This record gives sequence, structure tokens and C-alpha cells, in this order.
Amino acid sequence: EAQVTQNPRYLITVTGKKLTVTCSQNMNHEYMSWYRQDPGLGLRQIYYSMNVEVTDKGDVPEGYKVSRKEKRNFPLILESPSPNQTSLYFCASSHRLDQPQHFGDGTRLSIL
Amino acid sequence: SQQGEEDPQALSIQEGENATMNCSYKTSINNLQWYRQNSGRGLVHLILIRSNEREKHSGRLRVTLDTSKKSSSLLITASRAADTASYFCATDDHDYKLSFGAGTTVTVRA
Repeated sequence: EAQVTQNPRYLITVTGKKLTVTCSQNMNHEYMSWYRQDPGLGLRQIYYSMNVEVTDKGDVPEGYKVSRKEKRNFPLILESPSPNQTSLYFCASSHRLDQPQHFGDGTRLSIL
Repeated sequence: SQQGEEDPQALSIQEGENATMNCSYKTSINNLQWYRQNSGRGLVHLILIRSNEREKHSGRLRVTLDTSKKSSSLLITASRAADTASYFCATDDHDYKLSFGAGTTVTVRA
């Protein structure tokens, strides 16, 4: 089954404790991206990747890092999480940007 | 990066009625996409319309695009309870990023 898998689905943690949210897709997609969703603001893009070893900043990259060492994986790293990063996070993938994006089920992060 | 803006923010309709929502954007685009989100779940793609297209249909969905007005509309005909969700437009505006609006929340009453 074609899917984008995010882990964990839920996480409550404390300020400053490094965390990684994993994202994996099984569709051999080149394009992957991370979004955060906050009430009233819609989805805002954090980082995107056009292919392996090619990543670039989205609209709200501050406080986040990503890597794309393999085509299927695109982890989101919060080196020193802060409460303003409490949000619902989505990973998405597609072959190209002008094709439908496939979204994961989301990761709800709470930073205390 | 630009962001689409959906209008209205919320919509409540009776089952069987049509629902129309609009999306406006600021600069030229390659394409515009509509997505549905059920209650905090992942977004599901509905329709993609390219900048050289004016109208597309998919089942009970009809999307129009007016590039001169920089706007798009999504029409859901003969709505059902299962159509209750948030709907988002997303624009691909030449810079390798998708920009989403804040969404329209649609409630279909039985």
C-alpha cells in the first residue's frame, strides 16, 4: 500500500531535549516536505527536498533541521525544542511539485 | 512566499445542498490544488488544476480557475455528511514550494 509513515504520532517532551520525527515513503518519490499546522494559520512549509542530498528552506525553517540521505526517508530534527514549536506536523511526498502530494497522518508535538 | 486565502472560513449546509468555497492568491502560479482534511488527519488530494485550465471535474467536485482574477473555486454538489471536513487550496508558485491557505471548514448537517 502506498503510504507516508510518520513516527511518533504523539510526543510530549520538554524544552531543550533534542528530538527527531521520522518520515518514510514507499512510492519512490523525489519530492518530500515538512509542514506545521497551527490553528488559523493553515499549513506552513518548514523544509523541502527535491531529491537525495538536496534540501532547502520553506517559509518557517527556524529551529528545525532536515536531512535526505536516502530517497525514502526525510527526518525532521528539533535540536533544542521550544514551546513555540508545539504544533501538528505533516510530512508529504510526490514525484514532482506539480503532482498531488501524499500526506502522512501527522505528528502532534507538545513542548513543555 | 504567497499564501492562498480561502473564503468563507466556515460553512454550514444541509445534506443534499451544494457547497462553494473560494481561494484567492497573489502572484502567478503553475497550478492550484485542493485538499481535504478530516479532523486533524493528514490531507487528502482532491483536484489539481493547471494555470492553462479553466475548469475540472471529479465526481461531485468542480473546480474553476480564473488566472485574471487570481482566484479559484471548489464546488461540492449534493453534499453528504461524509463531506464534513476542512478544505484547503495550495498554490505552486514557481519557487518549488506549495503554499497553503488557512482553509474552509465545512459542516454538513443531516
